[in-house]
Amino acid sequence: DAKTTQPPSMDCAEGRAANLPCNHSTISGNEYVYWYRQIHSQGPQYIIHGLKNNETNEMASLIITEDRKSSTLILPHATLRDTAVYYCIVRFPGGGADGLTFGKGTHLIIQP
Amino acid sequence: GAVVSQHPSWVICKSGTSVKIECRSLDFQATTMFWYRQFPKQSLMLMATSNEGSKATYEQGVEKDKFLINHASLTLSTLTVTSAHPEDSSFYICSAPGTGGYEQYFGPGTRLTVT
Repeated sequence: DAKTTQPPSMDCAEGRAANLPCNHSTISGNEYVYWYRQIHSQGPQYIIHGLKNNETNEMASLIITEDRKSSTLILPHATLRDTAVYYCIVRFPGGGADGLTFGKGTHLIIQP
Repeated sequence: GAVVSQHPSWVICKSGTSVKIECRSLDFQATTMFWYRQFPKQSLMLMATSNEGSKATYEQGVEKDKFLINHASLTLSTLTVTSAHPEDSSFYICSAPGTGGYEQYFGPGTRLTVT
């Protein structure tokens, strides 16, 4: 799996959009970008994934640069419940046989 | 969405005893499940892959005789920490891949404290 780099922490005001960056300059052509988050003392939660097109679901949007070397997870209207550690993971799809490799992630703190 | 449960949510045991943690996929079948360990202020570390009908595969540095894994059915995997020691105290989390093969679903975790 390609290595990812994320800022260790970020703050965001409640109600504003939270933009979490991730660098993955060594990503290969068939690797997807996945985002998970872990709220304190809970199991991680899948958020979204994408290959090269921007993706949106009910939780977030994922913007992947054209060269695919970086991406941004966007939480459009952050709430206090979005305070969590967010992990960006790059891996090949259909990885049902492989566990995930977690980096240190970004600790997002939503301020009231 | 797919739900993975774990039992117990927390357990305290004495040093030298064994403790079993269950991981269940509630509304889907999982031929493969994964076990992770997370120490305070650290990230999740993959411990092993649990395979239904065959032996588990362990990550480098994880003692297979200490962390016994049994994938008893398509919806249940168990992790038994044998002869537990205080350094085994940790947050243990399981996951199962979704049917689409992309995302993984995680259990809520089990907090193990060995005294």
